[in-house]
Amino acid sequence: GEDVEQSLFLSVREGDSSVINCTYTDSSSTYLYWYKQEPGAGLQLLTYIFSNMDMKQDQRLTVLLNKKDKHLSLRIADTQTGDSAIYFCAESMGYIPTFGRGTSLIVHP
Amino acid sequence: NAGVTQTPKFQVLKTGQSMTLQCAQDMNHNSMYWYRQDPGMGLRLIYYSASEGTTDKGEVPNGYNVSRLNKREFSLRLESAAPSQTSVYFCASSEGQGNEKLFFGSGTQLSVL
Repeated sequence: GEDVEQSLFLSVREGDSSVINCTYTDSSSTYLYWYKQEPGAGLQLLTYIFSNMDMKQDQRLTVLLNKKDKHLSLRIADTQTGDSAIYFCAESMGYIPTFGRGTSLIVHP
Repeated sequence: NAGVTQTPKFQVLKTGQSMTLQCAQDMNHNSMYWYRQDPGMGLRLIYYSASEGTTDKGEVPNGYNVSRLNKREFSLRLESAAPSQTSVYFCASSEGQGNEKLFFGSGTQLSVL
């Protein structure tokens, strides 16, 4: 089974908030990450959170971590068309991050 | 500062042909990785190198070999390409100090006919 699970698609209207969810299984994960992949490009690190934190905010991005439920979310405020991409959740304990399958975010006018 | 550079960007092979995908990073990172990305499958780790001189298998190593040539370069070789190896391949690197923030190359799109 998968170690990191995400829903495959999310569609939002421009200007609304987007919330992308992720669940993971390894309770000893020390870091959790969000990456963004635009069409035809490699993944780019958006943000990350250490496992002893509950929340991290960076401009329009808010990461929430519920360690008890092993649930991670990424909220994008005021979503723009340029935010359309695939978003990957990843967990890491040591050298090898494990990635989810990615959530395709579609932003429509 | 180029980051992680992969070559080639596109490649078409016939079944049974061999080729090497090249990857170089200029960030003085210790760890390097090769992933493949297939539709609906996310990223799957092929091989990684925690430090210069070491390599280890990932989730899907069959049909591939790697060489960590020096600290900067990590190549991926397909000895006898198969259609199942049609995929997009990404190289990545990280500092290797425990917080594995990965920096990715732009990918190689490989088709095996």
